[in-house]
Amino acid sequence: AQSVTQPDIHITVSEGASLELRCNYSYGATPYLFWYVQSPGQGLQLLLKYFSGDTLVQGIKGFEAEFKRSQSSFNLRKPSVHWSDAAEYFCAVRPGGSYIPTFGRGTSLIVHP
Amino acid sequence: IAGITQAPTSQILAAGRRMTLRCTQDMRHNAMYWYRQDLGLGLRLIHYSNTAGTTGKGEVPDGYSVSRANTDDFPLTLASAVPSQTSVYFCASSDEGTSGKDTQYFGPGTRLTVL
Repeated sequence: AQSVTQPDIHITVSEGASLELRCNYSYGATPYLFWYVQSPGQGLQLLLKYFSGDTLVQGIKGFEAEFKRSQSSFNLRKPSVHWSDAAEYFCAVRPGGSYIPTFGRGTSLIVHP
Repeated sequence: IAGITQAPTSQILAAGRRMTLRCTQDMRHNAMYWYRQDLGLGLRLIHYSNTAGTTGKGEVPDGYSVSRANTDDFPLTLASAVPSQTSVYFCASSDEGTSGKDTQYFGPGTRLTVL
Protein backbone atom coordinates (compact mmCIF):
# COMPACT_ATOMS: atom_id res chain seq x y z
CA ALA A 1 0.00 0.00 0.00
CA GLN A 2 1.11 3.53 -0.66
CA SER A 3 2.09 5.92 2.13
CA VAL A 4 2.89 9.59 2.38
CA THR A 5 5.23 11.32 4.80
CA GLN A 6 5.31 15.02 5.51
CA PRO A 7 8.27 15.26 7.87
CA ASP A 8 7.55 18.78 9.10
CA ILE A 9 4.55 19.31 11.36
CA HIS A 10 5.10 23.08 11.51
CA ILE A 11 7.11 25.45 9.36
CA THR A 12 7.64 29.10 10.27
CA VAL A 13 8.84 31.62 7.70
CA SER A 14 8.97 35.38 7.42
CA GLU A 15 6.85 37.13 4.86
CA GLY A 16 8.80 37.47 1.62
CA ALA A 17 11.05 34.50 2.35
CA SER A 18 11.15 31.39 0.20
CA LEU A 19 9.34 28.22 1.20
CA GLU A 20 9.81 24.51 0.68
CA LEU A 21 7.45 21.91 2.14
CA ARG A 22 8.61 18.33 1.98
CA CYS A 23 6.65 15.30 0.86
CA ASN A 24 7.95 11.75 0.48
CA TYR A 25 5.92 8.82 -0.73
CA SER A 26 6.23 5.09 -0.75
CA TYR A 27 4.79 3.28 -3.74
CA GLY A 28 6.09 0.73 -6.23
CA ALA A 29 5.35 2.72 -9.36
CA THR A 30 4.96 6.41 -10.05
CA PRO A 31 1.75 7.50 -8.39
CA TYR A 32 -0.39 10.49 -9.11
CA LEU A 33 0.71 13.27 -6.75
CA PHE A 34 -1.21 16.22 -5.34
CA TRP A 35 -0.77 19.17 -3.03
CA TYR A 36 -3.81 20.65 -1.28
CA VAL A 37 -4.13 23.72 0.95
CA GLN A 38 -6.55 24.18 3.81
CA SER A 39 -7.16 27.68 5.13
CA PRO A 40 -8.48 27.94 8.70
CA GLY A 41 -12.07 26.76 8.96
CA GLN A 42 -12.19 25.76 5.30
CA GLY A 43 -12.15 22.61 3.23
CA LEU A 44 -9.18 21.56 1.13
CA GLN A 45 -8.36 23.18 -2.19
CA LEU A 46 -6.10 21.74 -4.88
CA LEU A 47 -2.85 23.66 -5.45
CA LEU A 48 -1.32 21.45 -8.12
CA LYS A 49 -1.01 17.88 -9.35
CA TYR A 50 1.46 15.69 -11.19
CA PHE A 51 0.67 12.71 -13.38
CA SER A 52 3.50 12.45 -15.89
CA GLY A 53 5.76 14.49 -18.14
CA ASP A 54 7.57 17.59 -16.99
CA THR A 55 8.66 17.00 -13.41
CA LEU A 56 8.25 20.66 -12.44
CA VAL A 57 4.59 21.48 -12.00
CA GLN A 58 3.10 24.94 -11.68
CA GLY A 59 0.05 25.53 -9.53
CA ILE A 60 -2.19 28.27 -8.30
CA LYS A 61 -1.16 31.12 -5.98
CA GLY A 62 2.45 31.05 -7.23
CA PHE A 63 3.23 27.55 -5.95
CA GLU A 64 5.24 24.93 -7.78
CA ALA A 65 6.33 21.39 -6.99
CA GLU A 66 9.04 19.14 -8.34
CA PHE A 67 8.74 15.39 -8.70
CA LYS A 68 12.00 13.54 -8.07
CA ARG A 69 11.66 9.85 -8.78
CA SER A 70 15.08 8.97 -7.35
CA GLN A 71 14.15 10.51 -4.01
CA SER A 72 10.44 9.55 -4.04
CA SER A 73 9.72 13.17 -3.28
CA PHE A 74 7.26 15.83 -4.39
CA ASN A 75 8.27 18.99 -2.55
CA LEU A 76 6.20 22.15 -2.72
CA ARG A 77 7.93 25.50 -3.20
CA LYS A 78 7.16 29.18 -3.36
CA PRO A 79 9.81 31.85 -3.96
CA SER A 80 8.20 34.56 -1.81
CA VAL A 81 5.62 33.81 0.86
CA HIS A 82 2.70 36.13 1.59
CA TRP A 83 0.91 36.37 4.94
CA SER A 84 -2.20 34.92 3.28
CA ASP A 85 -0.29 31.68 2.62
CA ALA A 86 -0.55 30.75 6.29
CA ALA A 87 -2.53 27.50 6.20
CA GLU A 88 -2.30 23.73 6.47
CA TYR A 89 -0.76 21.96 3.47
CA PHE A 90 -1.41 18.35 2.56
CA CYS A 91 0.42 16.11 0.14
CA ALA A 92 -1.55 13.20 -1.33
CA VAL A 93 -0.74 10.22 -3.53
CA ARG A 94 -2.95 7.94 -5.60
CA PRO A 95 -1.87 4.78 -7.36
CA GLY A 96 -2.67 4.77 -11.04
CA GLY A 97 -6.14 3.39 -11.65
CA SER A 98 -7.27 3.85 -8.04
CA TYR A 99 -9.90 6.32 -6.94
CA ILE A 100 -8.55 6.46 -3.41
CA PRO A 101 -5.82 8.90 -2.38
CA THR A 102 -3.70 8.68 0.72
CA PHE A 103 -3.06 11.97 2.49
CA GLY A 104 -0.07 12.98 4.54
CA ARG A 105 -0.62 14.30 8.03
CA GLY A 106 -0.14 17.88 6.89
CA THR A 107 2.30 20.71 7.48
CA SER A 108 1.14 23.87 9.22
CA LEU A 109 2.68 27.00 7.71
CA ILE A 110 3.09 30.02 9.98
CA VAL A 111 4.04 33.33 8.37
CA HIS A 112 5.63 36.08 10.43
CA PRO A 113 5.25 39.69 9.27
CA ILE B 1 -22.78 28.32 -7.15
CA ALA B 2 -21.46 24.88 -8.01
CA GLY B 3 -19.80 22.84 -5.33
CA ILE B 4 -20.35 20.71 -2.27
CA THR B 5 -22.56 21.60 0.65
CA GLN B 6 -22.47 19.96 4.04
CA ALA B 7 -24.95 20.18 6.90
CA PRO B 8 -24.91 20.89 9.71
CA THR B 9 -21.93 23.22 10.04
CA SER B 10 -21.40 22.08 13.58
CA GLN B 11 -23.17 19.86 16.08
CA ILE B 12 -22.88 18.85 19.70
CA LEU B 13 -24.25 15.39 20.27
CA ALA B 14 -24.84 13.21 23.30
CA ALA B 15 -23.11 9.84 23.28
CA GLY B 16 -25.39 7.07 22.11
CA ARG B 17 -27.45 9.30 19.84
CA ARG B 18 -27.86 8.70 16.13
CA MET B 19 -26.64 11.40 13.77
CA THR B 20 -26.62 11.86 10.00
CA LEU B 21 -24.25 14.26 8.33
CA ARG B 22 -25.50 15.45 4.99
CA CYS B 23 -23.49 16.03 1.84
CA THR B 24 -24.76 17.23 -1.51
CA GLN B 25 -22.85 18.06 -4.67
CA ASP B 26 -24.17 19.67 -7.83
CA MET B 27 -21.25 18.91 -10.14
CA ARG B 28 -22.61 15.51 -11.23
CA HIS B 29 -19.43 13.86 -10.03
CA ASN B 30 -19.57 10.06 -9.94
CA ALA B 31 -17.27 9.54 -6.96
CA MET B 32 -17.82 10.80 -3.41
CA TYR B 33 -15.89 10.42 -0.18
CA TRP B 34 -16.13 11.00 3.55
CA TYR B 35 -13.06 11.89 5.58
CA ARG B 36 -12.47 12.73 9.20
CA GLN B 37 -9.75 15.18 10.18
CA ASP B 38 -8.09 14.95 13.58
CA LEU B 39 -5.18 16.98 14.88
CA GLY B 40 -1.89 15.31 14.03
CA LEU B 41 -3.53 12.56 11.98
CA GLY B 42 -4.41 14.43 8.81
CA LEU B 43 -7.34 13.18 6.75
CA ARG B 44 -8.50 9.61 7.05
CA LEU B 45 -10.96 8.06 4.67
CA ILE B 46 -14.13 6.67 6.27
CA HIS B 47 -16.20 5.51 3.29
CA TYR B 48 -16.35 6.20 -0.40
CA SER B 49 -18.61 5.64 -3.36
CA ASN B 50 -17.44 5.20 -6.94
CA THR B 51 -20.90 5.66 -8.38
CA ALA B 52 -24.52 5.82 -7.31
CA GLY B 53 -25.61 2.54 -5.77
CA THR B 54 -22.14 1.41 -4.68
CA THR B 55 -20.12 2.14 -1.56
CA GLY B 56 -16.83 0.99 -0.09
CA LYS B 57 -14.97 1.08 3.20
CA GLY B 58 -12.02 3.31 3.80
CA GLU B 59 -9.36 3.32 6.46
CA VAL B 60 -11.63 3.98 9.49
CA PRO B 61 -15.16 2.74 8.69
CA ASP B 62 -16.18 1.32 12.09
CA GLY B 63 -19.15 3.08 13.65
CA TYR B 64 -20.14 4.77 10.39
CA SER B 65 -22.42 3.88 7.51
CA VAL B 66 -23.18 5.54 4.19
CA SER B 67 -25.62 5.26 1.35
CA ARG B 68 -25.59 6.51 -2.23
CA ALA B 69 -29.14 6.47 -3.54
CA ASN B 70 -28.41 9.04 -6.25
CA THR B 71 -25.48 10.91 -7.78
CA ASP B 72 -25.80 14.08 -5.73
CA ASP B 73 -26.22 12.92 -2.12
CA PHE B 74 -23.90 10.95 0.13
CA PRO B 75 -25.05 11.00 3.77
CA LEU B 76 -22.88 9.69 6.58
CA THR B 77 -24.62 8.12 9.59
CA LEU B 78 -23.31 7.51 13.07
CA ALA B 79 -25.67 4.89 14.47
CA SER B 80 -24.65 5.38 18.10
CA ALA B 81 -22.17 8.17 18.58
CA VAL B 82 -19.15 7.81 20.86
CA PRO B 83 -16.75 10.52 22.09
CA SER B 84 -13.93 9.19 19.86
CA GLN B 85 -16.02 10.27 16.89
CA THR B 86 -15.50 13.90 17.86
CA SER B 87 -13.84 15.29 14.76
CA VAL B 88 -14.20 17.51 11.73
CA TYR B 89 -15.85 15.65 8.87
CA PHE B 90 -15.24 16.51 5.23
CA CYS B 91 -17.17 15.33 2.24
CA ALA B 92 -15.45 15.34 -1.16
CA SER B 93 -16.30 14.46 -4.71
CA SER B 94 -14.42 13.85 -7.94
CA ASP B 95 -15.26 13.20 -11.56
CA GLU B 96 -13.48 9.94 -12.07
CA GLY B 97 -12.77 8.50 -15.45
CA THR B 98 -10.85 5.33 -16.04
CA SER B 99 -7.56 7.16 -15.52
CA GLY B 100 -8.34 8.00 -11.90
CA LYS B 101 -6.45 11.26 -12.16
CA ASP B 102 -9.12 13.72 -11.32
CA THR B 103 -9.14 16.30 -8.58
CA GLN B 104 -11.11 15.99 -5.37
CA TYR B 105 -13.35 18.90 -4.41
CA PHE B 106 -14.04 19.33 -0.72
CA GLY B 107 -16.98 20.66 1.22
CA PRO B 108 -16.56 23.17 4.07
CA GLY B 109 -16.75 20.50 6.77
CA THR B 110 -18.93 19.60 9.76
CA ARG B 111 -17.50 19.99 13.23
CA LEU B 112 -18.97 17.27 15.44
CA THR B 113 -18.55 17.04 19.20
CA VAL B 114 -19.77 13.94 21.02
CA LEU B 115 -20.12 14.31 24.77
